[in-house]
Amino acid sequence: DADVTQTPRNRITKTGKRIMLECSQTKGHDRMYWYRQDPGLGLRLIYYSFDVKDINKGEISDGYSVSRQAQAKFSLSLESAIPNQTALYFCATSDSASGSRGYNEQFFGPGTRLTVL
Amino acid sequence: DQQVKQNSPSLSVQEGRISILNCDYTNSMFDYFLWYKKYPAEGPTFLISISSIKDKNEDGRFTVFLNKSAKHLSLHIMPSQPGDSAVYFCAASASNDYKLSFGAGTTVTVRA
Repeated sequence: DADVTQTPRNRITKTGKRIMLECSQTKGHDRMYWYRQDPGLGLRLIYYSFDVKDINKGEISDGYSVSRQAQAKFSLSLESAIPNQTALYFCATSDSASGSRGYNEQFFGPGTRLTVL
Repeated sequence: DQQVKQNSPSLSVQEGRISILNCDYTNSMFDYFLWYKKYPAEGPTFLISISSIKDKNEDGRFTVFLNKSAKHLSLHIMPSQPGDSAVYFCAASASNDYKLSFGAGTTVTVRA
């Protein structure tokens, strides 16, 4: 079984619709992240959470919101989707207790391909 | 502005030869560097890392070199195998920061 799962894997939606992407993990990690990947831009951080009560904006948070429902679950919402939010979205986790900079090693889910028409 | 840059979008290499992937960074606070590998329809997976206190780290066929004065690192894959065909991302982090900054990625194609 995958340690970090994302649902849905693919989604096509229309401009203005509300969309939620979900992430679950069984790794027991405390830290979770949402990234988007665009061609030529690599992975850019949208939001990150260090525990259930700690949510932080990343470099491109405008137009997105998140919810950390439990240590194992981290959801990303697009309140009103627009075409330039078409991208590949990844959830990742890390363990703050890992020594020797192990806390910098992030584990990624398989991604959600989102298309906004 | 991207703080981690991979200026070569793609690289093609013959099986058995060496692949060299380059990465430059601009933030002098970065002191830990990672390489991730990504296959189509999968998430990135951790490959190898290096701390700024070292200039080389080796793991099997993969070696990462760090030149702090030039703010440059490279990943060497030797020998390259068809299964190495993937997108490789360079990432960096500053001390006590859990966030990673990623480069745009380099697509490696290993020809038989």
